[in-house]
Amino acid sequence: SYELTQPPSVSVSPGQTATITCSAHKLGNKYISWYQQKPGQSPVLVIYQHNSRPSGIPERFSGSKSGNTATLTISGTQAMDEADYYCQAWDGKVFGGGTKLTVL
Amino acid sequence: EVQLVESGGDLVQPGGSLRLSCAASGFTFSTYWMTWVRQAPGKGLEWVANINQDGSEKYFVDSVKGRFTISRDNAKNSLYLQMNSLRAEDTAVYYCATERGDYETFEYWGQGNLVTVSS
Repeated sequence: SYELTQPPSVSVSPGQTATITCSAHKLGNKYISWYQQKPGQSPVLVIYQHNSRPSGIPERFSGSKSGNTATLTISGTQAMDEADYYCQAWDGKVFGGGTKLTVL
Repeated sequence: EVQLVESGGDLVQPGGSLRLSCAASGFTFSTYWMTWVRQAPGKGLEWVANINQDGSEKYFVDSVKGRFTISRDNAKNSLYLQMNSLRAEDTAVYYCATERGDYETFEYWGQGNLVTVSS
């Protein structure tokens, strides 16, 4: 098992690009998923296998991985995207600590 | 439409027991691994336990081993989490979720059910 490290908070202006990182000591070939959780709601899968989007998730959500860091990118961020975002690796079913995205 | 509806959450004293249920619909329940994830108040997500399609494989996070058991009834499309010897640190919203092992992800989530352990 290992730890996934996320920044506690990220701020972005409406219409701009938000990037949330998720780093691990040895990410290797492990797939990363990303979940969005709005206050009082359950998590929603927005990205799996680094960069695949489930049906119904807007195209502005994308994912990538480079070395030991996975990144969730939200292009043209909207007010409705304000939420907590969690990365997750399958090995050990580990979640990152979460990042609060604020759209100012 | 996939639906996962948890129930059974309550206020319980330390050392007590509780059984959570998760009723599934909208998909072929018996073909999916199922999992429980919890979230303490104001905290992040923590995987708790999972179970394979026929219930022959079960895994737990270290902090609940020996206290929690997971089971399923495919005839009733239901998942269960039996929680014994509850501690204050078990206080959380408990979510059931479907696993997609081929995608290495938790695909669908229930609405969550609050368990409060307090005297």
